[in-house]
Amino acid sequence: EAQVTQNPRYLITVTGKKLTVTCSQNMNHEYMSWYRQDPGLGLRQIYYSMNVEVTDKGDVPEGYKVSRKEKRNFPLILESPSPNQTSLYFCASSLPKFDSPLHFGNGTRLTVT
Amino acid sequence: QKEVEQNSGPLSVPEGAIASLNCTYSDRGSQSFFWYRQYSGKSPELIMSIYSNGDKEDGRFTAQLNKASQYVSLLIRDSQPSDSATYLCAVNTGNQFYFGTGTSLTVIP
Repeated sequence: EAQVTQNPRYLITVTGKKLTVTCSQNMNHEYMSWYRQDPGLGLRQIYYSMNVEVTDKGDVPEGYKVSRKEKRNFPLILESPSPNQTSLYFCASSLPKFDSPLHFGNGTRLTVT
Repeated sequence: QKEVEQNSGPLSVPEGAIASLNCTYSDRGSQSFFWYRQYSGKSPELIMSIYSNGDKEDGRFTAQLNKASQYVSLLIRDSQPSDSATYLCAVNTGNQFYFGTGTSLTVIP
């Protein structure tokens, strides 16, 4: 089954404790991206990647890191999480064509206390 | 900042009625447009995509695009209670997708 897989689905952590949210897709998509979703603010892009070793900042990159060492994987790293990073996170992928839609993972609900 | 604007709602329609959802975008270079449906706490799922001016129909859904007015809409005919969700408008500008904040739709049985 074609899918984008995120793990974990739920994560509760404390301020400053480094964490990684994994994202993997099996559709051979070049484009991958991370979004956070907050009430009233919609989906906001954190980082995106056009291909392996090519990443770029989205609209809200502060406090996050990403890497794209393999085509299928695009982990999101929070090196020192803070409470304002409590949010619902989505990973998504697509083909690098203008008419290709985004395919979303199931989401990761992160709480930072 | 490339903006995508939607009325947040909530929009309520009776079962069987037509629901009309609207979206405007600021970047004239936008190439493709998508409507996603999102249930609370779940991931967005694709409903429709549209790239050319005019209407595109898929079952009970019709997407309309007017690039001159920078406007895209979604019509849901014969609305069902299961259509109750938040509808997200997404715009692809080439390298990035931008989303509106979503319109909450409730279909009343």
